[in-house]
Amino acid sequence: GAGVSQSPSNKVTEKGKDVELRCDPISGHTALYWYRQSLGQGLEFLIYFQGNSAPDKSGLPSDRFSAERTGGSVSTLTIQRTQQEDSAVYLCASSWIAERTDTQYFGPGTRLTVL
Amino acid sequence: AQKVTQAQTEISVVEKEDVTLDCVYETRDTTYYLFWYKQPPSGELVFLIRRNSFDEQNEISGRYSWNFQKSTSSFNFTITASQVVDSAVYFCALSPPRYGGATNKLIFGTGTLLAVQP
Repeated sequence: GAGVSQSPSNKVTEKGKDVELRCDPISGHTALYWYRQSLGQGLEFLIYFQGNSAPDKSGLPSDRFSAERTGGSVSTLTIQRTQQEDSAVYLCASSWIAERTDTQYFGPGTRLTVL
Repeated sequence: AQKVTQAQTEISVVEKEDVTLDCVYETRDTTYYLFWYKQPPSGELVFLIRRNSFDEQNEISGRYSWNFQKSTSSFNFTITASQVVDSAVYFCALSPPRYGGATNKLIFGTGTLLAVQP
């Protein structure tokens, strides 16, 4: 079956512009995570969605970052007024929810470059 | 605080050598989960293994094996008879259990770049 897909694969934008990154999780996976991978910070958690529960936004670095998940499936991560420090690879993961933990399967990522 | 340390930044071996990637973790949880992921040059994180804290049995999968030792808070990964296709960045990660709605976010180490030379 299809894995997690993300689009675009690469995005180059100018400082100050808004960008939207999209994630299509594995069909039937109820949990969705966004992470960011950058040279300075490594891999860091951004936000988590699970079903109809309120998302865990504890990893979002600033209020310029937001995300939504429509219909319990596709998710969009939006970065407003992009800054150069936002340049990174943004990774999406999805999983089945198990009782105590779950295994997250990752997409190929979106490489964001802010000029 | 929860933390994962991968002290080896880069390792270079020649094909067919065995190689061990180290992972040391810190957590105050009595129940937790440990993972290894592989990130080849294509960039996608590939799940390799998940281990829970109450199962200290070592695991072997083909050329891969994992040694979990709670006494030293380590979860090391060994590749036997390495191959060029094993060249990648390997990440160790820790997650808390899902109690009371807690998020199973992964806390990653900084990764170890493994280069297998032909």
